[in-house]
Amino acid sequence: GAVVSQHPSWVICKSGTSVKIECRSLDFQATTMFWYRQFPKQSLMLMATSNEGSKATYEQGVEKDKFLINHASLTLSTLTVTSAHPEDSSFYICSAVEGGQSGYTFGSGTRLTVV
Amino acid sequence: GNSVTQMEGPVTLSEEAFLTINCTYTATGYPSLFWYVQYPGEGLQLLLKATKADDKGSNKGFEATYRKETTSFHLEKGSVQVSDSAVYFCALGHQGAQKLVFGQGTRLTINP
Repeated sequence: GAVVSQHPSWVICKSGTSVKIECRSLDFQATTMFWYRQFPKQSLMLMATSNEGSKATYEQGVEKDKFLINHASLTLSTLTVTSAHPEDSSFYICSAVEGGQSGYTFGSGTRLTVV
Repeated sequence: GNSVTQMEGPVTLSEEAFLTINCTYTATGYPSLFWYVQYPGEGLQLLLKATKADDKGSNKGFEATYRKETTSFHLEKGSVQVSDSAVYFCALGHQGAQKLVFGQGTRLTINP
């Protein structure tokens, strides 16, 4: 079946630094990828939708300059948390949709801790 | 707009008990409905799905039926195991790679 690889699985960084999270579709071409944020014991909050070769669409309240999303190829999308602060600490999860299909495949998530 | 409401948790059961986690939705058009499971520290795994009214999704002993008349997609399992302990999310989505709308999640704990 479809597999999405998310890397790293966890990262600790200092305040003010930037962190890049990668999301790769391993055996299919993902025309659309979604980035979610999940706080402890809460549901997933959609941050943005990225389509290959175009700018990401951000949900209301999500700072596009802080959470940079790049979807440069049909198998890779990246989320960069810029100038990270402790309040950015969270679990970030990506999902990918194969072109023309209605199935959503999720990555294993990245736990970000900003100290 | 589209929304999903799940039974509030946490839910704690004994092994071999019967499980029901309620899920109701509000949506325009004809969405697909999903149940995802999240184990501690991991991403989401698709448990089952149904794409049209009266469809029944099933997997690993879990079942859910797409009920358009009651706008529901309740998750059931006849005999739960300790390994079923996880957080379960109900979600809806439309064709064309549109975003999923999630319920708030239900934490399930099964005691031996």
